[in-house]
Amino acid sequence: KQEVTQIPAALSVPEGENLVLNCSFTDSAIYNLQWFRQDPGKGLTSLLLIQSSQREQTSGRLNASLDKSSGRSTLYIAASQPGDSATYLCAVRMVTGGGNKLTFGTGTQLKVEL
Amino acid sequence: DAGVIQSPRHEVTEMGQEVTLRCKPISGHDYLFWYRQTMMRGLELLIYFNNNVPIDDSGMPEDRFSAKMPNASFSTLKIQPSEPRDSAVYFCASSSHRTGGETQYFGPGTRLLVL
Repeated sequence: KQEVTQIPAALSVPEGENLVLNCSFTDSAIYNLQWFRQDPGKGLTSLLLIQSSQREQTSGRLNASLDKSSGRSTLYIAASQPGDSATYLCAVRMVTGGGNKLTFGTGTQLKVEL
Repeated sequence: DAGVIQSPRHEVTEMGQEVTLRCKPISGHDYLFWYRQTMMRGLELLIYFNNNVPIDDSGMPEDRFSAKMPNASFSTLKIQPSEPRDSAVYFCASSSHRTGGETQYFGPGTRLLVL
């Protein structure tokens, strides 16, 4: 059974700092990996999707990398801003046996302070 | 597009009552997903549909939970009878694979409290 872990569970940084969020998964036979953002009381918003054949994806100040063999992904946020404060979740889709199911990590709650 | 629409946004009910959650996916999307989020268990997939047909309901916790999708623009998740441990935020999401996209678009969720 696929297990997805995110460390740290919570993170507080000053504005302007570059930061890295970590995601690890136990079964490397993944189809793709996604990073989502969840604001308090809101649904999830997809940030980046990395196919299993890709190493990284970039969108603005966000960069996500994938090392499938080691079961790890990182989300890099450059020049963090207070508006980046949210919970960030990673989710994996398996190659077989999972259909279109996503298995989510427990999330990292990020607070960017002025 | 208005995005995924869920109703109600908040629901407070008493143990033993029937609860019905509703979802309208994004027009043209062929997949619909129901998730439950709690502090203890995080975000869990309950069931998903493809072209209105349930594909995988292995996440449905027990027989008290049922989901239907009578047409491409409407789905319900029903809990009967409800129990306090069902208290959670229930999300509906939809996606389209016809255009090659795999991103799931989430609704705002229904916060359910069972007393």
